[in-house]
Amino acid sequence: EPEVTQTPSHQVTQMGQEVILRCVPISNHLYFYWYRQILGQKVEFLVSFYNNEISEKSEIFDDQFSVERPDGSNFTLKIRSTKLEDSAMYFCASSSNTVNTEAFFGQGTRLTVV
Amino acid sequence: GENVEQHPSTLSVQEGDSAVIKCTYSDSASNYFPWYKQELGKGPQLIIDIRSNVGEKKDQRIAVTLNKTAKHFSLHITETQPEDSAVYFCAGLSSGGSYIPTFGRGTSLIVHP
Repeated sequence: EPEVTQTPSHQVTQMGQEVILRCVPISNHLYFYWYRQILGQKVEFLVSFYNNEISEKSEIFDDQFSVERPDGSNFTLKIRSTKLEDSAMYFCASSSNTVNTEAFFGQGTRLTVV
Repeated sequence: GENVEQHPSTLSVQEGDSAVIKCTYSDSASNYFPWYKQELGKGPQLIIDIRSNVGEKKDQRIAVTLNKTAKHFSLHITETQPEDSAVYFCAGLSSGGSYIPTFGRGTSLIVHP
């Protein structure tokens, strides 16, 4: 069964450092997403990406964040100058269509900022 | 925007009992309501969904009901098993936008053998 894969599974970084979280979406999917889940809280939408550009983003997704699909398979989330409050699980997801169809989630990357 | 409230935050049942998780939503334009199961260390996985043109949907031991008038929907799990233990999230999705569900806070279901 096709799946979304994320690397690394756990990332520890110093406050102020840059991190890149990587995702390989399902190969025939066209829409890609990043979500965040702070420990014990709900899953929060960060950004959606289609046709090599951001289609929607939330208030959380400020100038500190960026996304790109550098090589047609990977989908990355970059966080510049990490803060303690960026510590969370980050989930990548992909879907074949935006209209009421399932988004498949990866297993997540646990980011710990120290 | 959409606001989804989910109750209870924790639910503990004995194996074989039924479990019910309830959610309410605020946006009357929402028309798609998925439920996700998140096991420890894994990402959310869709287990069942319902669209606003139906009131109930069932898949083996899992069922979801939707009351559009009251703007609430519920997940029902019958004959619970220990492997049903997980965090369950409801979500709502409006018709006007792309697939950006608004999630509830989650319910931690514990099934005791």
